[in-house]
Amino acid sequence: NAGVTQTPKFQVLKTGQSMTLQCAQDMNHNSMYWYRQDPGMGLRLIYYSASEGTTDKGEVPNGYNVSRLNKREFSLRLESAAPSQTSVYFCATYRGDTQYFGPGTRLTVL
Amino acid sequence: AQSVTQPDIHITVSEGASLELRCNYSYGATPYLFWYVQSPGQGLQLLLKYFSGDTLVQGIKGFEAEFKRSQSSFNLRKPSVHWSDAAEYFCAVGPPPYNTNAGKSTFGDGTTLTVKP
Repeated sequence: NAGVTQTPKFQVLKTGQSMTLQCAQDMNHNSMYWYRQDPGMGLRLIYYSASEGTTDKGEVPNGYNVSRLNKREFSLRLESAAPSQTSVYFCATYRGDTQYFGPGTRLTVL
Repeated sequence: AQSVTQPDIHITVSEGASLELRCNYSYGATPYLFWYVQSPGQGLQLLLKYFSGDTLVQGIKGFEAEFKRSQSSFNLRKPSVHWSDAAEYFCAVGPPPYNTNAGKSTFGDGTTLTVKP
């Protein structure tokens, strides 16, 4: 039972490159989230998915797209990476009254 | 709109001393409050949470927090700090579990705790 897993753990991109951050969960939770964490700041919600087939914008969605491929997987795509997207990205699920976080992906955009 | 303020960016305490980390929130209805801890390079670990009931909540690792509605505060405390408590601590507020937006938490900017030997 791995909980919430994220790949890759680290990534370096050049400005303008694209990439997809992967998130998977084995807890059968309906709700999934993508957050970013910048130095000196808390987590900010990028996108979330209340259930399979639905997605919605959070606080900072610009420059990102998401796909809820199935109940297990929720991916975050950067179409044209910018230095302002350098951050640590966390995926999370939610069930009952508790949020479960993945270990994070550290992304650097040069 | 919901928001969280953690007034202290950095706190230093001596090992064995008591600790209090401050958290003030803004939320239009009954809030659901959390404290998380994050060690360097790690994800977030839930310390404790509060929605209703006794306003003094016990969590893991010997932490507790007190909800004060009149002050819109949810301060985290520990009677005696250990060196392993050095980390970053985040307070968060969100809709209650029965709300359709449950899980959409807003986080404070965090307080970094340094423990002196």
